[in-house]
Amino acid sequence: DPKIIQKPKYLVAVTGSEKILICEQYLGHNAMYWYRQSAKKPLEFMFSYSYQKLMDNQTASSRFQPQSSKKNHLDLQITALKPDDSATYFCASSQDWNSDYTFGSGTRLLVI
Amino acid sequence: AQKVTQTQTSISVMEKTTVTMDCVYETQDSSYFLFWYKQTASGEIVFLIRQDSYKKENATVGHYSLNFQKPKSSIGLIITATQIEDSAVYFCAMREGSSNTDKVVFGTGTRLQVSP
Repeated sequence: DPKIIQKPKYLVAVTGSEKILICEQYLGHNAMYWYRQSAKKPLEFMFSYSYQKLMDNQTASSRFQPQSSKKNHLDLQITALKPDDSATYFCASSQDWNSDYTFGSGTRLLVI
Repeated sequence: AQKVTQTQTSISVMEKTTVTMDCVYETQDSSYFLFWYKQTASGEIVFLIRQDSYKKENATVGHYSLNFQKPKSSIGLIITATQIEDSAVYFCAMREGSSNTDKVVFGTGTRLQVSP
């Protein structure tokens, strides 16, 4: 059984639209993260949450907004989508701030 | 700022041999945590092994071990008795211990191809 569920697995969006990427973890971890992976860059840190509190935000754009409705839930809302946003978005979690990560299987986003 | 560099883009080895992947890091912190992850062809990313900066002994997990050379800011991954299924992209990563940022920084990855 997957321990971190990301939905959807694939997503095609039109430029200018808005999408929400879902992430739920069933590991009982206290920290959750979003990373982006594209052909141009390695795994790139976006956000970290700990106990549902935003700890770090390294995204340059306010178009990316994390949303945490429950401790084991961290969604990523992306507004005004651009083709450059095309990438695979990985959700991850860890027991605490210095533990290793468990990654979800990713959401592959294509913006056309 | 923290930085992780993997200069080997790809490595090809024969099955059952030993391979070493290089990684160097930059940090101003005296305390930090180093990790290696593996990304399979399906895209799955899996944690392999870690080394805490204050530990002198090299970490070992199964057929993975680390060559931690703190004075050189180097953390090499050694895979012994490689298997076909070890073919993947391997990422080195680092988290600073006392930094005010929460992020783990990843290297660009080394693609390992194991042939029979």
